[in-house]
Amino acid sequence: SAVISQKPSRDICQRGTSLTIQCQVDSQVTMMFWYRQQPGQSLTLIATANQGSEATYESGFVIDKFPISRPNLTFSTLTVSNMSPEDSSIYLCSAGDRGQFFGPGTRLTVL
Amino acid sequence: KNEVEQSPQNLTAQEGEFITINCSYSVGISALHWLQQHPGGGIVSLFMLSSGKKKHGRLIATINIQEKHSSLHITASHPRDSAVYICAVMEETSGSRLTFGEGTQLTVNP
Repeated sequence: SAVISQKPSRDICQRGTSLTIQCQVDSQVTMMFWYRQQPGQSLTLIATANQGSEATYESGFVIDKFPISRPNLTFSTLTVSNMSPEDSSIYLCSAGDRGQFFGPGTRLTVL
Repeated sequence: KNEVEQSPQNLTAQEGEFITINCSYSVGISALHWLQQHPGGGIVSLFMLSSGKKKHGRLIATINIQEKHSSLHITASHPRDSAVYICAVMEETSGSRLTFGEGTQLTVNP
């Protein structure tokens, strides 16, 4: 099994600013993913974080808005750039060859 | 039509009741997850299934691959079981990416 931690756990940000969310796994994993859960909605995959190469983004998500880093097999970051109130969501990191381990989430509120 | 559909969307039960949450999907899958999400937002993986049945404590998960259907059962429900339960499938053609159902909000009253 793997334990995933995320920082920050929550934040309140002003419109137009950026926030970087960190995801740390306690063991090396091949696959890491970033999801968004908007209020009252299900989870939606933003991108797959690939170690040593650019992230693979899902339709509707672009690198300029959600830049992702994956410097090694235990760590990834997601940045939410130029935030607007529509970006208010829970952002979740998951990992594992079957995507089966989840972080505690980061609850973001944009004013 | 969503690829993963759950029913019911909301469920209220009395403590001690037997609870069933259903999940139907329309794509070929390599695995199905049942997840639990508490109000703080964090998600816990309860089960990962590719066939048959799994049991952990008071929780039982079953899957019928031919019928593209899975159920999550909770026996002797307790107020601490109150959470959102989410079904997620790993499609055969999508590697490790998950497609999620919309979740079932379970409230167990004492």
